[in-house]
Amino acid sequence: SQTIHQWPATLVQPVGSPLSLECTVEGTSNPNLYWYRQAAGRGLQLLFYSVGIGQISSEVPQNLSASRPQDRQFILSSKKLLLSDSGFYLCAWSGGLSSPLHFGNGTRLTVT
Amino acid sequence: QKEVEQNSGPLSVPEGAIASLNCTYSDRGSQSFFWYRQYSGKSPELIMSIYSNGDKEDGRFTAQLNKASQYVSLLIRDSQPSDSATYLCAVIKAAGNKLTFGGGTRVLVKP
Repeated sequence: SQTIHQWPATLVQPVGSPLSLECTVEGTSNPNLYWYRQAAGRGLQLLFYSVGIGQISSEVPQNLSASRPQDRQFILSSKKLLLSDSGFYLCAWSGGLSSPLHFGNGTRLTVT
Repeated sequence: QKEVEQNSGPLSVPEGAIASLNCTYSDRGSQSFFWYRQYSGKSPELIMSIYSNGDKEDGRFTAQLNKASQYVSLLIRDSQPSDSATYLCAVIKAAGNKLTFGGGTRVLVKP
């Protein structure tokens, strides 16, 4: 069966510091991978998605970036965090077109 | 107009009653529809997928899709306090890879 791992679970970072969140998927090959953010009390906002190694689509212009160095690895990064980057970051995978997403446990990021 | 709209609630339901949640979407070409449940502080979990007009039942959950009217609904029968959560409607546009989520409906089941 497929599993998705996301870490860390919680993170507190000062403004201006870098960020790296990692997500890996097991039990499937060539998944579509996604990064979403959920601000407190708000809906899910799609940040990036990837249909293959090195292929990244950005949905929202901001100071975040994503990379997919391996088939089942997806990384979310920032060079300098802003207060507005605080939120619940969720990695997800799907099996392809029209397939549902399956989420990791999320990372709660607080920028202070 | 938001792409996927839900009433934010809270929807208060007595234990044992039916909870009825609605979701409308703007893209008439949308093909895939999902309901997720999200407990406070946790990640969303998939509870239903529906692709064709009509009803789809899974245990106490029934999803209903009406593409002509561009709405999808979720019924929760015999509601339990453990059903108290936020329910997210999600839609994939035609031949797409991206899920667009509604803002969610918070459901409170009172014993």
